[in-house]
Amino acid sequence: DGGITQSPKYLFRKEGQNVTLSCEQNLNHDAMYWYRQDPGQGLRLIYYSQIVNDFQKGDIAEGYSVSREKKESFPLTVTSAQKNPTAFYLCASSPRDRGQETQYFGPGTRLLVL
Amino acid sequence: AQSVTQPDIHITVSEGASLELRCNYSYGATPYLFWYVQSPGQGLQLLLKYFSGDTLVQGIKGFEAEFKRSQSSFNLRKPSVHWSDAAEYFCAVGPLSGNTPLVFGKGTRLSVIA
Repeated sequence: DGGITQSPKYLFRKEGQNVTLSCEQNLNHDAMYWYRQDPGQGLRLIYYSQIVNDFQKGDIAEGYSVSREKKESFPLTVTSAQKNPTAFYLCASSPRDRGQETQYFGPGTRLLVL
Repeated sequence: AQSVTQPDIHITVSEGASLELRCNYSYGATPYLFWYVQSPGQGLQLLLKYFSGDTLVQGIKGFEAEFKRSQSSFNLRKPSVHWSDAAEYFCAVGPLSGNTPLVFGKGTRLSVIA
């Protein structure tokens, strides 16, 4: 059963703590993306990766970091430098083939600050 | 730069009534256009997409959308709304080239009343 999984569903962060959100896909997609969603603001791009071992900053990368060591995995770390991390985080992936560039989304992780 | 505008933040319709959600885009070339739906606390599900060809596109759940180049629009329609259609709807445009991220509108929240 192919798809995108995100874990955990809920995550709690204490002040000064780094936390890592997991995103895994078994769709054999080359590209992966991280978005942040806040009420009334739609989706804002944090980072994306078009290929293994390469990634680019999106519109709101400050306070976040990523890695792409494997094709199927694109973890997002929310660092202590991110002062307002409470949000819903969505991971997506897309195939590389021309004419197939459709993004598919995972179920999301809600991050809350204690 | 490319952009997407969804003019309606919130729409309320009666069950059984018709629905049209508006989407206007700004894009320098022939766009790829998408509509996604999001239920509360969930990820985004692809409803339909337009890449080329017939400008009237059929999607899942009885939705359709029409690409009008002269109006830079890609409005989503459904002839008869069901209570289960209550959700947030996002229009997106892209990509500029292979695997560059989609640009999303801020979304339209649909409420359905009996």
